[in-house]
Amino acid sequence: DIVMTQSPDSLAVSLGERATINCKSSQSVLYNSNTKNYLAWYQQKPGQPPKLLIYWASTRQSGVPDRFSGSGSGTDFTLTISSLQAEDVAVYYCQQYYSTPRTFGQGTKVEIK
Amino acid sequence: QVQLVQSGAEVKKPGASVKVSCKASGYTFTSYAMHWVRQAPGQRLEWMGWINAGNGDTKYSQKFQGRVTITRDTSAITAYMELSSLGSEDTAVYYCTRGGRGDAFDIWGQGTMVTVSS
Repeated sequence: DIVMTQSPDSLAVSLGERATINCKSSQSVLYNSNTKNYLAWYQQKPGQPPKLLIYWASTRQSGVPDRFSGSGSGTDFTLTISSLQAEDVAVYYCQQYYSTPRTFGQGTKVEIK
Repeated sequence: QVQLVQSGAEVKKPGASVKVSCKASGYTFTSYAMHWVRQAPGQRLEWMGWINAGNGDTKYSQKFQGRVTITRDTSAITAYMELSSLGSEDTAVYYCTRGGRGDAFDIWGQGTMVTVSS
């Protein structure tokens, strides 16, 4: 199984400041034949299901604000919120869909400082 | 609009089975995979398995192999997840979710709380 490890477990950021979440996979999720990274990011607010933010490591899902961006390749990935808004308080998960079982990181809780 | 609507909360005794339904609307049901993911209290999301809604092929996580069965009814536009031999560790919110672009999970049901308690 591919193990997904996020850092940090939690972070507090001031409104308008940048938040950065890292995700590392235990093996590469880059599919060489199409040069795509099979890595997604989700946002989950209390009492709600997760919401897809980013797929293919860096493609924003339709309707997701452009302050959210994803980067990285192979085994190391980053989700950046360029200017934190109050509505961004949530837990964020990375997930690989390169192989089964699909696996998620442990989550990073983002709060307002 | 595109949505997945799941059945309501369940309370089960240890050793029992539970079957959760997930009704799709707003898209061509048979063109996408349907996955099931669960989340125990305070835990990370955990993938259980998926079904090709077109041909019915399934694949399950080794962790749940032998205890989980995922099916679909194309006429009812509904997918189902049945989990047997329940224990307290199966207390969780269970989600169905559609495999979208590349199979990232783009649409989620609202979740079904399953509580296992004697």
